[in-house]
Amino acid sequence: EDQVTQSPEALRLQEGESSSLNCSYTVSGLRGLFWYRQDPGKGPEFLFTLYSAGEEKEKERLKATLTKKESFLHITAPKPEDSATYLCAVRGGTGGFKTIFGAGTRLFVKA
Amino acid sequence: EAGVVQSPRYKIIEKKQPVAFWCNPISGHNTLYWYLQNLGQGPELLIRYENEEAVDDSQLPKDRFSAERLKGVDSTLKIQPAELGDSAVYLCASSLEGSYEQYFGPGTRLTVT
Repeated sequence: EDQVTQSPEALRLQEGESSSLNCSYTVSGLRGLFWYRQDPGKGPEFLFTLYSAGEEKEKERLKATLTKKESFLHITAPKPEDSATYLCAVRGGTGGFKTIFGAGTRLFVKA
Repeated sequence: EAGVVQSPRYKIIEKKQPVAFWCNPISGHNTLYWYLQNLGQGPELLIRYENEEAVDDSQLPKDRFSAERLKGVDSTLKIQPAELGDSAVYLCASSLEGSYEQYFGPGTRLTVT
């Protein structure tokens, strides 16, 4: 069964305390893995697309990596404004058109 | 460039009443998605349009949900009649042809009482 599992469900960090969020997936015919940020009361905001194992993408304090079974979102020296829910999604399945989201990791960064 | 526009932002209705949500995608985006998001969960796809054609509606509860995308631009999602379990945020997203990157609107929060 195609599925996406994110861990931890919630993560509390002190400002400047680096950490990583995990996204484990099982999907046939992966077409892409996506990371989104979602603030309360808003729609998800696109961050990264990763297409193949070994690929990495960076944006400010965020770095996303991909293996054949999971992806990590590394947050370096986070700031309070990085507090949000981070969603992982995969595209694949029969025909490659199915998009499946994980439940997200809620990140809290305290000053 | 304007993002995905959705209205209304909030809607409160009684069960068994009808409700409709409207979405205007980013200009030039031919693919449009409707998702349902429950509290603490990720979005779940309801229907995907390529231009005006619904190419994936396998997760749409067709006994009470319907959708249309006239002229391949704006889209409307309707529920009739609404049930208590339909309370959720309904998200619209769009993407360029050939791209998997989806851009989301702010969503409509539906409360069914």
